[in-house]
Formats: sequence, structure tokens, C-alpha cells
Amino acid sequence: AQTIHQWPVAEIKAVGSPLSLGCTIKGKSSPNLYWYWQATGGTLQQLFYSITVGQVESVVQLNLSASRPKDDQFILSTEKLLLSHSGFYLCAWSLGGRSQNTLYFGAGTRLSVL
Amino acid sequence: GDQVEQSPSALSLHEGTGSALRCNFTTTMRAVQWFRKNSRGSLINLFYLASGTKENGRLKSAFDSKERYSTLHIRDAQLEDSGTYFCAAETGGYKVVFGSGTRLLVSP
Repeated sequence: AQTIHQWPVAEIKAVGSPLSLGCTIKGKSSPNLYWYWQATGGTLQQLFYSITVGQVESVVQLNLSASRPKDDQFILSTEKLLLSHSGFYLCAWSLGGRSQNTLYFGAGTRLSVL
Repeated sequence: GDQVEQSPSALSLHEGTGSALRCNFTTTMRAVQWFRKNSRGSLINLFYLASGTKENGRLKSAFDSKERYSTLHIRDAQLEDSGTYFCAAETGGYKVVFGSGTRLLVSP
């Protein structure tokens, strides 16, 4: 069975500090991977997606970057956090190929930037 | 602009009754998914539809890409159905746009 693990569960960070959020998928080779973000009271927005190792596509520009260093790992990061980065970050995976893109979400990371 | 308009934003039902949630799309979508938010804030997939209808227990979903809408019907609502429901539509490629959610409250 496939499992998706996100870390950390929650973070409290200072404005201007760096950030790294991680996501690991086990039990599925070559998944499509996604990062989503929801500001408090806002709509869930897709930030990035990755179809293969080393390739990441940006969907929304929020002064964040993403990388896929391994087939089962997706990293979201920034060198300088903004207040506007606060919110709930969700990682998701789907099967490879376009015919069935059911999204399976991790438990999420709640980020507070102060 | 907004591509997915979800309604209603909030819905109250009495146990045993039913209703429908709806998402309208401003453009032709490839597929739609419906999710329910769990207690921690993550999303549980309910349905994935590229066309037609699907049913699972007391939930039924339909997607009409030509008419640009999808619905989620809940029948015989139970207290445990309370929560927030989202639709999400594939715009093309691997991009998925979410609706703003419907907060459902089922009361005795």
C-alpha cells in the first residue's frame, strides 16, 4: 500500500528565515507529485508539480521553490520567509500518466510565520 | 480569473435528508475530483470522474464537461457527514484547480 509522509507537522518561523518542507511517498514508483497551499480562510492553490525526478513545474509564483531529488521525495523551500507564506501546506501524489490523476494527500504542514 | 465556482458555501441538513453541492467551471475541464476535509485539515478523495456518474454509498457524483459542471449528491445525511467538501478540476496537463469549499452541517 502507498503511504505519504509529510514533515514537519507544524512550524513556527520568523520572517526572513529559511524554510524546508518535505514529503515522501512509499510504495509507488514514479508518482506525480504536487505541492498545495492554503492561506487561512483561502482556497487551496496548486504551487508545483513534478512528473519525474529532477523536473519541477511552477504553477503559482509565491517566492517558493520546489525540488525532487529522488523519485519518492518532494521538497518545498525558500531562503527567506514572508508573512504571506503562513498557511497549510499539503503534498499530494497521483498515478503516473494522464488518464487517472486521483490525488492522494499527505497530512499537511501548518506554517506560522511571525 | 476563478475557474471553479463552488456552491453553496454552507449547507445545513437534518439527519435523513439530502441535498446537492455543485461546481461550475468557466472552461472545459478534463476531469473533476471531490474531496472531504478530515479533522486535521487534509483531504480525503471521494470521487474521480472524467465523465458520467459514480456512486458510493449515500454519495453520488456527476460530471458534465460539455455543460461545465459537477455535482455531489448526499442522501440520507448522517451526523458524521458534517464537514467541508471540495471539488477540484483538472484544467489540463497536471494542473488542478480547487473550489472554495462547502461547509456541511448535519443536525439531529
